[in-house]
Amino acid sequence: NAGVTQTPKFQVLKTGQSMTLQCAQDMNHEYMSWYRQDPGMGLRLIHYSVGAGITDQGEVPNGYNVSRSTTEDFPLRLLSAAPSQTSVYFCASSYSPAGGETQYFGPGTRLLVL
Amino acid sequence: GEDVEQSLFLSVREGDSSVINCTYTDSSSTYLYWYKQEPGAGLQLLTYIFSNMDMKQDQRLTVLLNKKDKHLSLRIADTQTGDSAIYFCAESNDYNKLIFGAGTRLAVHP
Repeated sequence: NAGVTQTPKFQVLKTGQSMTLQCAQDMNHEYMSWYRQDPGMGLRLIHYSVGAGITDQGEVPNGYNVSRSTTEDFPLRLLSAAPSQTSVYFCASSYSPAGGETQYFGPGTRLLVL
Repeated sequence: GEDVEQSLFLSVREGDSSVINCTYTDSSSTYLYWYKQEPGAGLQLLTYIFSNMDMKQDQRLTVLLNKKDKHLSLRIADTQTGDSAIYFCAESNDYNKLIFGAGTRLAVHP
């Protein structure tokens, strides 16, 4: 199993550009989520999905879109990048959305918006 | 809203015990977690404790939960240089949406 994979590892964008951060898992997990990690702060939940076709907002959803057309993939779209979106983005998955389920994290995508 | 707080830095000598502390505000928290993040990597779940437990031990790791004071701690016995990392405390209710603390950077020196 590859686990949770994320691409790209690094990305530099100009303000106003759009891009998609890719996330895939091969563990047949129902629950997937996106977090951002900023210096001096804990990870904050952006969006999550409890299964294919179902998504919902987390704590900081503004400026991001998600979709879940398959169980394996959960892409995160930045519609019009802003410097405030400079961060490290982590995708995570777990077998179910129940509390206590182990969430497996990808290696992260480091994004710089100029 | 919910908040999770941790001290930002801890330095210990190799072979000593490390104790990392965390406080949280959400009294409905059902699960409390400790994650480890090594440089340039994602987070790895170390252990978690259910809110009706006081203590959980897993090899060198001991988790203590004081639900009355909303205080969680992680003790690492016989700390090694490989334990140097950032440790995140997190909580969730019955749903797996995690609220994280800012992380405690553990530095282990000889």
